[in-house]
Amino acid sequence: RKEVEQDPGPFNVPEGATVAFNCTYSNSASQSFFWYRQDCRKEPKLLMSVYSSGNEDGRFTAQLNRASQYISLLIRDSKLSDSATYLCVVTTGGGFKTIFGAGTRLFVKA
Amino acid sequence: DVKVTQSSRYLVKRTGEKVFLECVQDMDHENMFWYRQDPGLGLRLIYFSYDVKMKEKGDIPEGYSVSREKKERFSLILESASTNQTSMYLCASRLLAGYNQETQYFGPGTRLLVL
Repeated sequence: RKEVEQDPGPFNVPEGATVAFNCTYSNSASQSFFWYRQDCRKEPKLLMSVYSSGNEDGRFTAQLNRASQYISLLIRDSKLSDSATYLCVVTTGGGFKTIFGAGTRLFVKA
Repeated sequence: DVKVTQSSRYLVKRTGEKVFLECVQDMDHENMFWYRQDPGLGLRLIYFSYDVKMKEKGDIPEGYSVSREKKERFSLILESASTNQTSMYLCASRLLAGYNQETQYFGPGTRLLVL
C-alpha cells in the first residue's frame, strides 16, 4: 500500500462546477498536510496547508479527517485556470519526512 | 519571495557520462532536496540535506550522489548516467523541519534525457 494515495483522475468538469478530491494516508502519526498544485511542465507550488479544523482560501476548502486518515480538497466555481495536477502532501517523523502523492489531474472545460 | 534556481532546464547526455545538476536557493533555507518525477510515479526523493555538508539518502539514491558545500547550493551527481535516469529532476528547499515549517519551494526542474 502506498503511503499517500490519490485518485489519478482525470477529472473533467465544466466551468462553474464544484469538484472534490480525496487523499488517503497510511501513517496515523502523520502530522502536517498540504495540497500543492502543479501546472503542466512546471514545478509544484503550495496551494494550501490543511489544518485540523479545516480551512478555506477563496474558492478552495481543505478538510482533514484524522480518524479515517484522509484529507480532501474542494474547489467551488471551477475556472479554466484551475486545470492542473493537485498533489497531496503529508509529513511524518517530526516533519522530517515528506511524502507526495502521485497527483490528481483536473481539466476544467468551457 | 523564495527563489530556487536550477542550472539547466533541459539536458541531453550520453550513457556513461557524469552529470552534474546544480540547485541554488536564496532564502537561507536549512533543508534542501532532490526529487525525480516520472509519469504515474509522482515525486520520489533521491537525497536530502539538513544542513551544510550533511546528506541523507531518500527513497531512490542508487546511481546518485550529492554535495552540499555551501548552504545555498545543493548539487546532484549522476556518476555514470543510464537511460533509466531519463526523468524530470526537481530541487526544493525548506526553511527547516518541524510543525508548520514544512513548506517546500521548488525550482523549475531539469528535464534530463540520457541517450
